[in-house]
Amino acid sequence: DVKVTQSSRYLVKRTGEKVFLECVQDMDHENMFWYRQDPGLGLRLIYFSYDVKMKEKGDIPEGYSVSREKKERFSLILESASTNQTSMYLCASSLFGGELFFGEGSRLTVL
Amino acid sequence: KNQVEQSPQSLIILEGKNCTLQCNYTVSPFSNLRWYKQDTGRGPVSLTIMTFSENTKSNGRYTATLDADTKQSSLHITASQLSDSASYICVVTLNTGGFKTIFGAGTRLFVKA
Repeated sequence: DVKVTQSSRYLVKRTGEKVFLECVQDMDHENMFWYRQDPGLGLRLIYFSYDVKMKEKGDIPEGYSVSREKKERFSLILESASTNQTSMYLCASSLFGGELFFGEGSRLTVL
Repeated sequence: KNQVEQSPQSLIILEGKNCTLQCNYTVSPFSNLRWYKQDTGRGPVSLTIMTFSENTKSNGRYTATLDADTKQSSLHITASQLSDSASYICVVTLNTGGFKTIFGAGTRLFVKA
């Protein structure tokens, strides 16, 4: 069965803290994505990766960075968390042009 | 500008009733359109996918339609159940050889007993 696992379902951090969100997929997919989801806005793409050590900016990359050292793992990093980064973060993976398989989401609150 | 708009924003129906959710898009060039279901606090899960040449696709009690000429899609839910309470997201992928995907904001469906 397809599985995308996000390490933390709920996190509470303080302004200025460094935040790591981890995502692992077990489907051998080349492509992995990080989205944020806010009420009324739909999912917005932060970064994606189509291969190990490769990354591309999405629509809202400011304030975020990513790391893909292994095919199965894609990490989202908030170098210095801010209150406007309070959101639901969703990781997804896919084959090229195929269906997106999402993780359960990580709800981040920045105080 | 590439956009996907869904209506209504939210909908409340009684268990056992049918409903239809709408999706209008201005995405070009079009590759495919998917409907996802997202339960509260969970990640979205794909329900259907349609390409340019397909105008209807069913998945159990869910039937999606696509009119590529008017750039409209609908998701019809038959004999609704309490477990249908969720957000339904329309997603359009561009045919640009890359990963450009446009998400609608979703319709929040509440099914009451």
